[in-house]
Amino acid sequence: QVQLVQSGAEVKKPGASVKVSCKASGYTFTSYDINWVRQATGQGLEWMGWMNPNSGNTGYAQKFQGRVTMTRNTSISTAYMELSSLRSEDTAVYYCARGPRKSSRFDYWGQGTLVTVSS
Amino acid sequence: QSVLTQPPSVSAAPGQKVTISCSGSSSNIGNNYVSWYQQLPGTAPKLLIYDNNKRPSGIPDRFSGSKSGTSATLGITGLQTGDEADYYCGTWDSSLSAGLFGGGTKLTVL
Repeated sequence: QVQLVQSGAEVKKPGASVKVSCKASGYTFTSYDINWVRQATGQGLEWMGWMNPNSGNTGYAQKFQGRVTMTRNTSISTAYMELSSLRSEDTAVYYCARGPRKSSRFDYWGQGTLVTVSS
Repeated sequence: QSVLTQPPSVSAAPGQKVTISCSGSSSNIGNNYVSWYQQLPGTAPKLLIYDNNKRPSGIPDRFSGSKSGTSATLGITGLQTGDEADYYCGTWDSSLSAGLFGGGTKLTVL
């Protein structure tokens, strides 16, 4: 069965960076794009960007341009999302989700990773 | 303030029907497919509807989707207490080159 398993919760200080992993299993990792979506506590969903695991091509929301980097390691079927220059407003649950670029059709989601930014 | 507008909350009695609207513009809903998600407390979103009106395998036909112009609607019939959740619409915005979600609608089954 398809699974996306994310890394554990993180606590970071303002200005630091965080790197969240998303390990895929149950399907061919390079055949489906991976998107990243975040959700602050009590708030709605916010799309951050997509990555094609086969080519490594990416597309980021303008809001995160220059601060986010999405990469992958195909040998271990794992996608990564790194967010830098963290501020308190970045405190949120971060999800990876499988789905085509330029769509909102995300059929499988990771369990979420809580990133807390606090001094 | 989300680009896609949803009502903050809706409610109905068990067994009844409810609809949730999602309003956008020509650059998003008007020219792209719409998806709908259900998010139970403390869990990841779950895909209910994709490509405006298609249901993934395992999603009961109590859930339906439609789109007209720059608006989309999720319908849920035969409401159950287990349907209490937050519901989000999503689509792509061709002008922003970005994915979009509505602000979410909390469904209460009275």
